[in-house]
Amino acid sequence: QSALTQPASVSGSPGQSITLSCTGTSSDVGYYNFVSWYQHHPGKAPKLIIYEVTKRPSGVSNRFSGSKSGNTASLTISGLLAEDEGDYYCCARAGSNTGVFGGGTKLTVL
Amino acid sequence: QVQLQESGPGLVKPSETLSLTCTVSGGSISYYYWSWIRQPPGKALEWIGHVYYSGTTGYNPSLQSRVTLSADTSKNEISLKLSSVTAADTAVYYCARDREAYQLLLAFDIWGQGTTVTVSS
Repeated sequence: QSALTQPASVSGSPGQSITLSCTGTSSDVGYYNFVSWYQHHPGKAPKLIIYEVTKRPSGVSNRFSGSKSGNTASLTISGLLAEDEGDYYCCARAGSNTGVFGGGTKLTVL
Repeated sequence: QVQLQESGPGLVKPSETLSLTCTVSGGSISYYYWSWIRQPPGKALEWIGHVYYSGTTGYNPSLQSRVTLSADTSKNEISLKLSSVTAADTAVYYCARDREAYQLLLAFDIWGQGTTVTVSS
């Protein structure tokens, strides 16, 4: 299985909305509704922000939302804040018993 | 609350076996799926595999021939063994818990702090 495809970098200004994409295949993102998103700051453990495509864990800001269309999942961050800067990874079920991460997107808040 | 702590040698020689343990405190490993995830320097996260508390496993196909995961309910620990390591296996290794009991969601809500493993002679 190949890594899911994410843009290497995205940038936005405070207050803006941005959308990060995560493209897979009909065998992973397109087949299962098991897509999760993680925010990762250097030196820290990744943080789960979206799971099962659209669900948000308690404590995660409602500025984060997830969606999926075909083989592409998306993470939208609205009302961008400086603290949102960091690396974002998607992860998807890639078979009955396997998973795969995306290559990650570095988000810069200008 | 549940906490995870990875432990093991920080330096492993090429061709040897990397062995790591994830100790779970504040809760039981029972009924959950546990994954190992790594991040090589400057690269993306990579899912290594998972183990259910009962011992059922699933592996990344690219690592399957070299990886063994196990769960020990008596010690409340998860273990990773990666054989025939090379410099490409140098990474920060994390253990993580899938958020809902009984289900493989690949939604990791609890992570260890990570442990750095360097493969070098």
